[in-house]
Amino acid sequence: KNEVEQSPQNLTAQEGEFITINCSYSVGISALHWLQQHPGGGIVSLFMLSSGKKKHGRLIATINIQEKHSSLHITASHPRDSAVYICAVWGSGNQFYFGTGTSLTVIP
Amino acid sequence: NAGVMQNPRHLVRRRGQEARLRCSPMKGHSHVYWYRQLPEEGLKFMVYLQKENIIDESGMPKERFSAEFPKEGPSILRIQQVVRGDSAAYFCASSPRQGATSGANVLTFGAGSRLTVL
Repeated sequence: KNEVEQSPQNLTAQEGEFITINCSYSVGISALHWLQQHPGGGIVSLFMLSSGKKKHGRLIATINIQEKHSSLHITASHPRDSAVYICAVWGSGNQFYFGTGTSLTVIP
Repeated sequence: NAGVMQNPRHLVRRRGQEARLRCSPMKGHSHVYWYRQLPEEGLKFMVYLQKENIIDESGMPKERFSAEFPKEGPSILRIQQVVRGDSAAYFCASSPRQGATSGANVLTFGAGSRLTVL
C-alpha cells in the first residue's frame, strides 16, 4: 500500500467547473506539498502546507492533520490547468512520499 | 536567480553504456534530492545528499547506481551498464535545509533529465 493515495486518478472537466483532487496519507508528516507536472514534464511546487488552508489565485489547498487528508481545489477551471497534480508528503526520515498523481484534462 | 538546473534534458544510451545526469541546485540550497519517474508511474525517491555527504540512499538500486554531491560543482547521478528498465525521467530537487518545512515552497524541482536506453 502506498503511503500517499490520491483520487481520482484521472479527471476530465469542462472549462469553468470547480475541481477537487483528494490526497490521503498514512504516515506522520511535517509538511505536505501539491505539485503540478505539465505535459512537457517539468514539475512546479504549488503549495506547501502544514496546517489549515492556502490560496493562490484560483487554487486552494486545505489540509486536515487529524484526518490525514488534503484537498486541492481549482475554481473556474481553464484548459491551461490541464496537468498532472501530485501530492507529496514529507514524512519521518529524510524523504518525500509521492502520490501517483491525478491527470486533469479541462475541455474548452 | 536561476532555478534548479539539470542536464542533459534528454540522453540516449545503448544497453551497457554509462549515463551521467547532472543537477545544479538553486543558489543558497545545500540539500539535493534525486527522484525517478518511470513511465506511467509516480515519482520515487532515490537519494538525498548534502555537500560531500550522502544522507539517505534508501531509494537507490543496490547495483549500478551511484550519486555524489561534491564540494564544488553539480550533483551527479551515475548509472553504469544501463538497461532498458532504466529508461525514465530523473528529477532533481533542492532545498535550503532539511525537511523543506520552513517558508513557502522551498522545495524546487529541476525540469528533469529523460533517459532512453535503446
